[in-house]
Amino acid sequence: EIVLTQSPGTLSLSPGERATLSCRASQSVRSSYLAWYQQRPGQAPRLLIYSTSTRPTGIPDRFSGSGSETGTDFTLTISRLEPEDFAVYYCHQYTSSPYTFGQGTKLDIK
Amino acid sequence: EVKLVESGGGLVQPGGSLRLSCAASGFTFSRYWMHWVRQVPGKGPVWVSRIQGDGGNIIYADSVKGRFTVSRDNAKNTLYLQMNSLRAEDTAVYYCARVGVGFEIDYWGQGTLVTVSS
Repeated sequence: EIVLTQSPGTLSLSPGERATLSCRASQSVRSSYLAWYQQRPGQAPRLLIYSTSTRPTGIPDRFSGSGSETGTDFTLTISRLEPEDFAVYYCHQYTSSPYTFGQGTKLDIK
Repeated sequence: EVKLVESGGGLVQPGGSLRLSCAASGFTFSRYWMHWVRQVPGKGPVWVSRIQGDGGNIIYADSVKGRFTVSRDNAKNTLYLQMNSLRAEDTAVYYCARVGVGFEIDYWGQGTLVTVSS
């Protein structure tokens, strides 16, 4: 099973600042099958990034994803935080079963 | 517009059974693989099961294997999760989720709460 470890657990920033969220996999995530989701309180997760760095239609370009050549280190960057970005973020690998999620990073307002 | 609506959650005693449904609309349901994912409030999501568009190639998490059964009725655009021998640790919000063309989960339902307690 691929274990995903997210850091930090909580990130306190102000609107307009840049956020950098990390996700480390216990083994290589093949084919870059790594996604990021945003979850607001009381809502279902929403897809932000898939295949490590691809944004679905409708996701603002202030969200970007990247990954290392080893396939074990991934980053979600939010370039300029908007008030609606303060939420919990999860990474998710779908390269092999059991499909796994990270424990989440809570982005809250400083 | 893609829409996934779960139903069937509720309070059940340990050892009991429950069947969840997920009504899909806004896309050609039979063409898409589907997942069930559960989440304890305040914790990360946990994958439960996946089924291909034709109902084949079903896989389960070890924690539910032998107790849960996923199925689908493509004529009714509905996904199911039959849950038997329920345990307290199965308590969670259960989401159905669609698999996109790149194998990612691209859409989630709003979830249905299952509580296993005496």
